[in-house]
Amino acid sequence: AQTVTQSQPEMSVQEAETVTLSCTYDTSESDYYLFWYKQPPSRQMILVIRQEAYKQQNATENRFSVNFQKAAKSFSLKISDSQLGDAAMYFCAYRSAGYGGSQGNLIFGKGTKLSVKP
Amino acid sequence: GAVVSQHPSWVICKSGTSVKIECRSLDFQATTMFWYRQFPKQSLMLMATSNEGSKATYEQGVEKDKFLINHASLTLSTLTVTSAHPEDSSFYICSARDFSGTSGRAARYEQYFGPGTRLTVT
Repeated sequence: AQTVTQSQPEMSVQEAETVTLSCTYDTSESDYYLFWYKQPPSRQMILVIRQEAYKQQNATENRFSVNFQKAAKSFSLKISDSQLGDAAMYFCAYRSAGYGGSQGNLIFGKGTKLSVKP
Repeated sequence: GAVVSQHPSWVICKSGTSVKIECRSLDFQATTMFWYRQFPKQSLMLMATSNEGSKATYEQGVEKDKFLINHASLTLSTLTVTSAHPEDSSFYICSARDFSGTSGRAARYEQYFGPGTRLTVT
């Protein structure tokens, strides 16, 4: 079974600085997707970034980028120029590439609470 | 973009009563819907997966007779908590996926989340 581990329960960053959130996963599959989701106090889950395992290039979305190390099964999220609105819970998630039925359910890590100091 | 709505956003019910939560995909066909439960300061726990027109698949440890899931159409799934007790108080989140790709190619990779429902059983 696949597992996702986030070893940092809480992180703090100064506004305008850069922070990196860690995520490791375990799988025997070769085709899968990795995601970072943000859950602000409203509790609405928001997709931050997605990485397809077969793509070697690291995904980027504006101030958000990932460091995807497939061999090491590591998928960290870097937030540059941190803003107050970035304060939230961040969940790393894994999904098999299959589509049918219960295949490809999202498997979440336990989350990292990010605080942004003004 | 693809939008998933949930209703109600907050419900309080008395112990022993049943409560229904609706999850709707507003602008795409949700061939599969997922129901999650989230306790305070914890991660999302998958309760069940439902495919339109078929019975839901429940995760181990989830009582299917207590958490009734119906996915009657491609845009609507409901979760009914039967004979609710205080320990059922939690935050319930639905999520939908568009396997048909009607909301765009990228949607085949995405799982869209509703805003959640806070259930309090007194």
